[in-house]
Amino acid sequence: KQEVTQIPAALSVPEGENLVLNCSFTDSAIYNLQWFRQDPGKGLTSLLLIQSSQREQTSGRLNASLDKSSGRSTLYIAASQPGDSATYLCAPNTGNQFYFGTGTSLTVIP
Amino acid sequence: EAQVTQNPRYLITVTGKKLTVTCSQNMNHEYMSWYRQDPGLGLRQIYYSMNVEVTDKGDVPEGYKVSRKEKRNFPLILESPSPNQTSLYFCASSLGQGGDTQYFGPGTRLTVL
Repeated sequence: KQEVTQIPAALSVPEGENLVLNCSFTDSAIYNLQWFRQDPGKGLTSLLLIQSSQREQTSGRLNASLDKSSGRSTLYIAASQPGDSATYLCAPNTGNQFYFGTGTSLTVIP
Repeated sequence: EAQVTQNPRYLITVTGKKLTVTCSQNMNHEYMSWYRQDPGLGLRQIYYSMNVEVTDKGDVPEGYKVSRKEKRNFPLILESPSPNQTSLYFCASSLGQGGDTQYFGPGTRLTVL
């Protein structure tokens, strides 16, 4: 069974700082990996989807990388803003099933 | 607007009283799935469906049933709810299995007394 770990569990940074969120998974036989953000009391919003054949995917200030063989993905957020405050979740997909980490809770301080 | 809707959003019920949480998507997606989210455990997949009349168990299917009679709907049924099913439930859909972005509903907060 796929085990997903996200480090750190919580992170607090001043506005404008660049930051990296980490995700590791135990089964490298994945189709893709998706990063989500979740705001308190709300559903999940997809941020980036990286296919297993890709190494990186970018959207605006977000960049996600994937090292499938070592079971790792990182989410890089440039020039953080208070509106980035949320919980960030990674989810590797083994085909039919998605497995989620417990997330990194990010607070960006103005 | 493309979306996944869930109803109800909040539900308080008592042990043993059957309930259904509805999920509907308007994107003609083939793949649909149910998750529960609990503090410290993250999201865990309950059931998923790859198409009409095709469903399969996720990691935590015990105590739940699903059906997929139409492409757009994927209801979650708790025939005899128990307090350990108190949780936040999410429905999600994607165009196909495997390689596509998942879209999530807003969640249903269920409390079983």
